[in-house]
Amino acid sequence: NAGVMQNPRHLVRRRGQEARLRCSPMKGHSHVYWYRQLPEEGLKFMVYLQKENIIDESGMPKERFSAEFPKEGPSILRIQQVVRGDSAAYFCASSPPNDNEQYFGPGTRLTVT
Amino acid sequence: DQQVKQNSPSLSVQEGRISILNCDYTNSMFDYFLWYKKYPAEGPTFLISISSIKDKNEDGRFTVFLNKSAKHLSLHIVPSQPGDSAVYFCAAKGDGSGNTGKLIFGQGTTLQVKP
Repeated sequence: NAGVMQNPRHLVRRRGQEARLRCSPMKGHSHVYWYRQLPEEGLKFMVYLQKENIIDESGMPKERFSAEFPKEGPSILRIQQVVRGDSAAYFCASSPPNDNEQYFGPGTRLTVT
Repeated sequence: DQQVKQNSPSLSVQEGRISILNCDYTNSMFDYFLWYKKYPAEGPTFLISISSIKDKNEDGRFTVFLNKSAKHLSLHIVPSQPGDSAVYFCAAKGDGSGNTGKLIFGQGTTLQVKP
């Protein structure tokens, strides 16, 4: 059973460009979570999604950030018009329904130049 | 507002001895607690968890203790091994509704186990 997959592992964008981060949950997991880790900090919750539904987006910045988890395909975290402050490691986690444990992917390290 | 705190940024122990990592929280609505281990450039790996209705959970070398009255939990690793050297994160979830999936993480504690 493959773990949570994230791609790309590393992404470099110039200021003003768009960044798209992808996450494929573990087989059988229908819940996806996105977290961000800034340098020297812990992980901060961004958004919780189920198939075709955003359940909790209380951690998402109000502008430029969006997330989706379509019926088919991976979950996507999209950052428009990136700024240097968006440079961070972005982690995706997944869980089965009614399960408290979340399993994390390897992360995407976004660098904005 | 840091709801989950790991006040020790680092800990160093000798191989074979016990490692004790501590975590404090402020939100009494939390009903589930988890510990994750993280190596550089990798994602967090789930280690062990505990429900708020319990005070202890054990899995091999790892034991988590929960003291609800003190809003404190700890992770014990015994015996410690050099491969345990990593950053350990404490996380909590729950808002009383039973519907939230959001994990609140502490800042992490870097454990170094010396051979």
